[in-house]
Amino acid sequence: AQSVSQHNHHVILSEAASLELGCNYSYGGTVNLFWYVQYPGQHLQLLLKYFSGDPLVKGIKGFEAEFIKSKFSFNLRKPSVQWSDTAEYFCAVKMDSSYKLIFGSGTRLLVRP
Amino acid sequence: DTGVSQNPRHKITKRGQNVTFRCDPISEHNRLYWYRQTLGQGPEFLTYFQNEAQLEKSRLLSDRFSAERPKGSFSTLEIQRTEQGDSAMYLCASSPALKGLAGYEVAKNIQYFGAGTRLSVL
Repeated sequence: AQSVSQHNHHVILSEAASLELGCNYSYGGTVNLFWYVQYPGQHLQLLLKYFSGDPLVKGIKGFEAEFIKSKFSFNLRKPSVQWSDTAEYFCAVKMDSSYKLIFGSGTRLLVRP
Repeated sequence: DTGVSQNPRHKITKRGQNVTFRCDPISEHNRLYWYRQTLGQGPEFLTYFQNEAQLEKSRLLSDRFSAERPKGSFSTLEIQRTEQGDSAMYLCASSPALKGLAGYEVAKNIQYFGAGTRLSVL
C-alpha cells in the first residue's frame, strides 16, 4: 500500500537554527506533494505544494521544499526558525489515480526562544 | 468567514449511541473530503464527494459509518453504534475543480481543512 514516512516525530530547535524535516513516499507514479502545518489550537493549513515544474518550491513564512523524484522525497527546509514556527508539520501525497491525500504521521517542532 | 466550517467542535457520547457531524465546505467548492485523525497520527482518508456523488470510500469506513452530501453543498457524517475506538478528530476538507483551457478538468487539488469535530466515546 502507498505510504508516507516522516522520519522525525519530535524536533527541538533553538531560534535561528536551521530546519530540515524529512518526508519519503512509496508510489512510483505521478504525485502531487504537500506540506501542511498545524499551529497549536488551529486547523491544518497549507504550507507549500508541488504539482510540476521546478522541484524547489517556496511556501509561506520562509519555508521551502525540494522534490527529489529519484529518492521519492519531499523534504521541508527553513534556514532560520522562529519561536512562532512551533507547530506540527504533516507531509502529504496525492497520487495521480486518486483525489485523496495520504499523510505522514507528522513531526512536532518545538522552537525554544 | 469563508473557510470550511464543522459542527459541532466537540462531541461526547456514550458507547452505542449514534452521532452525526456536519461540514459546510468553502462556497463553490464541489469536492468534499472526510478524514479521521487519531492521537499521534496524520489524517486518514475516509471518503470523498464530487458534488453529491460519493466517489471514493476507504476500507476504514465500516458499515457503521455513512456520509451524505444530498444537495452537493454541506455534508454529514454519521456513526452508528459508536465504539470507543471511534474516538478521534474528524476532519472535513474541500477543494475546487477548475476547467482547463483544453476543456479537461484540471483538479488543482489543494484541500482546505476545517477545524474538525473531536469525538470522545465513553
